Amino acid sequence: GESVGLHLPTLSVQEGDNSIINCAYSNSASDYFIWYKQESGKGPQFIIDIRSNMDKRQGQRVTVLLNKTVKHLSLQIAATQPGDSAVYFCAEKLNTGTASKLTFGTGTRLQVTL
Amino acid sequence: DTGVSQDPRHKITKRGQNVTFRCDPISEHNRLYWYRQTLGQGPEFLTYFQNEAQLEKSRLLSDRFSAERPKGSFSTLEIQRTEQGDSAMYLCASSEATQGAGEKLFFGSGTQLSVL
Repeated sequence: GESVGLHLPTLSVQEGDNSIINCAYSNSASDYFIWYKQESGKGPQFIIDIRSNMDKRQGQRVTVLLNKTVKHLSLQIAATQPGDSAVYFCAEKLNTGTASKLTFGTGTRLQVTL
Repeated sequence: DTGVSQDPRHKITKRGQNVTFRCDPISEHNRLYWYRQTLGQGPEFLTYFQNEAQLEKSRLLSDRFSAERPKGSFSTLEIQRTEQGDSAMYLCASSEATQGAGEKLFFGSGTQLSVL
């Protein structure tokens, strides 16, 4: 399939290790954040979300941390598997009261080595 | 398959031609979004519909672009007089409108447009 991106920041992790992907968001007025996973040739796939009134949320093998003071978001993946290899995007939604016009970050490519 | 469906998956066209893409959202979702993604970048918002009403358009959406959602179900995105700069992945997403911030968008696999 076609590559999602050629010059993205890349994180290489060994299978079984934990991964941490970081994201700096731009607008202090954003009230909702989502992490998406995008595999080559596919659309973004929802992983986990967090509202601005929270600082941590856990899912299955994934945890999102939100630090509003420094406008930083991170995605932690436990026991990384080869199937986790993809490009990961954080997205923010402004608190405008309207629909989800998400603003996406540049993305980080996660490579899982065996 | 009850996810967001987009057709075609790939489109190659010559500069100056018109192209039309179709999106079928998840059936119970009343909001439908179009985004564009170029290589190495995250998706960028183009426009969205609530039911059949087009409520917002980005400045990225020039007058050569038009989107419709006539019956509040599927949507089409047409690009007239295509230019090489239109080459991108066009993504459709749908969601249920919710009160407050937690609206999850579900994306289709996109239509990859190449303008020669």
